Amino acid sequence: AQKITQTQPGMFVQEKEAVTLDCTYDTSDQSYGLFWYKQPSSGEMIFLIYQGSYDEQNATEGRYSLNFQKARKSANLVISASQLGDSAMYFCAMRFGSARQLTFGSGTQLTVLP
Amino acid sequence: GAGVSQSPRYKVAKRGQDVALRCDPISGHVSLFWYQQALGQGPEFLTYFQNEAQLDKSGLPSDRFFAERPEGSVSTLKIQRTQQEDSAVYLCASSPRRITGYSPLHFGNGTRLTVT
Repeated sequence: AQKITQTQPGMFVQEKEAVTLDCTYDTSDQSYGLFWYKQPSSGEMIFLIYQGSYDEQNATEGRYSLNFQKARKSANLVISASQLGDSAMYFCAMRFGSARQLTFGSGTQLTVLP
Repeated sequence: GAGVSQSPRYKVAKRGQDVALRCDPISGHVSLFWYQQALGQGPEFLTYFQNEAQLDKSGLPSDRFFAERPEGSVSTLKIQRTQQEDSAVYLCASSPRRITGYSPLHFGNGTRLTVT
């Protein structure tokens, strides 16, 4: 079965510190794509970062980086130097094999404290 | 440029009423998706269009749900005889090309449907 697990319903981090949001997955596909999205209270899903299953280097986009450990089937999002505007719901999502749709995890609510 | 636009932003329907939710994707985007997001959950896939063709409707929860995209641009999600369990946020997303491994989706703000 193809499944995505985000075990942290809520996380708190102090402003300017780094935080790691966990994501593990289960699939027998060799080819897949990993995405992270941010959903502020306004409701819009904002694309943050992508990692392909065959990419050897961990993806980075500004303050976002992806800690991809293929053997452990984990793709954790690291946010460095947290800002108050980072407070939002964060979703791990995957495109499995030849599927066109993204499958989403249940999300982690991140709160950045001043 | 303009992003994905959804209307109405909020919709309240009495149980049993029909509703129609509209999605205006980013101009020229080929691929269009509908997702249903229950409160506190991740989005769940409903259906996918490539241009005007509905290539996958495996996520539609019942035959009360119907989606169309007749000219390959604007899409409408219709729910007939609404029930309380249909209460959710309905998200539309588009992508500029046919879907490949790396094809991030661009989402709208969603329509929050409340069935009373």
